[in-house]
Amino acid sequence: QQPVQSPQAVILREGEDAVINCSSSKALYSVHWYRQKHGEAPVFLMILLKGGEQKGHEKISASFNEKKQQSSLYLTASQLSYSGTYFCGTEIAGGGTSYGKLTFGQGTILTVHP
Amino acid sequence: GAVVSQHPSWVICKSGTSVKIECRSLDFQATTMFWYRQFPKQSLMLMATSNEGSKATYEQGVEKDKFLINHASLTLSTLTVTSAHPEDSSFYICSARDWGTGGGEQYFGPGTRLTVT
Repeated sequence: QQPVQSPQAVILREGEDAVINCSSSKALYSVHWYRQKHGEAPVFLMILLKGGEQKGHEKISASFNEKKQQSSLYLTASQLSYSGTYFCGTEIAGGGTSYGKLTFGQGTILTVHP
Repeated sequence: GAVVSQHPSWVICKSGTSVKIECRSLDFQATTMFWYRQFPKQSLMLMATSNEGSKATYEQGVEKDKFLINHASLTLSTLTVTSAHPEDSSFYICSARDWGTGGGEQYFGPGTRLTVT
């Protein structure tokens, strides 16, 4: 039930772009993206809801293809501050006992070098 | 975004003692809060869902008598690790979803690092 993220790790130089993918085997209601720095709690980046959303926040954007149960996080013109572990959290459609709960992928380690 | 606080940020305790961790939603009301634990270099594992005014819902494999959860108000949930042992040492993080914005963004507290000696 845990969503699968790819790649597991990516190394960039400042200014380069990256894409992180999140795939689920179950129908999804929403996908949440977070960045976690070492020793800190995850920080909310954005949420995408059922309906095939695409959102953007400065140089970080994301898409959600509900038919494929997939979401992608796009980081453009990366900065040193983008380094960290990125997690997607998925909420299963249909509610029930899973209502409101997020299940997290294994994480993608992003390293940006000068 | 919404703010969730957690206290303490770290705690060291002796084996066999109990530790209480507080989680507060500072600028929104949360009928539901979530407790996660995270081991080094691993993902976030949901332990339980804390429901205001009712019993918590525990994930499979989580001992409810060991991890006591109380959701006393719409802004406060507590996790008590009872009779702690070294294997309970971990990073505990609470979260709450802010449904006021419509989407239900989930915000995490800063986490509590528990070390049991």
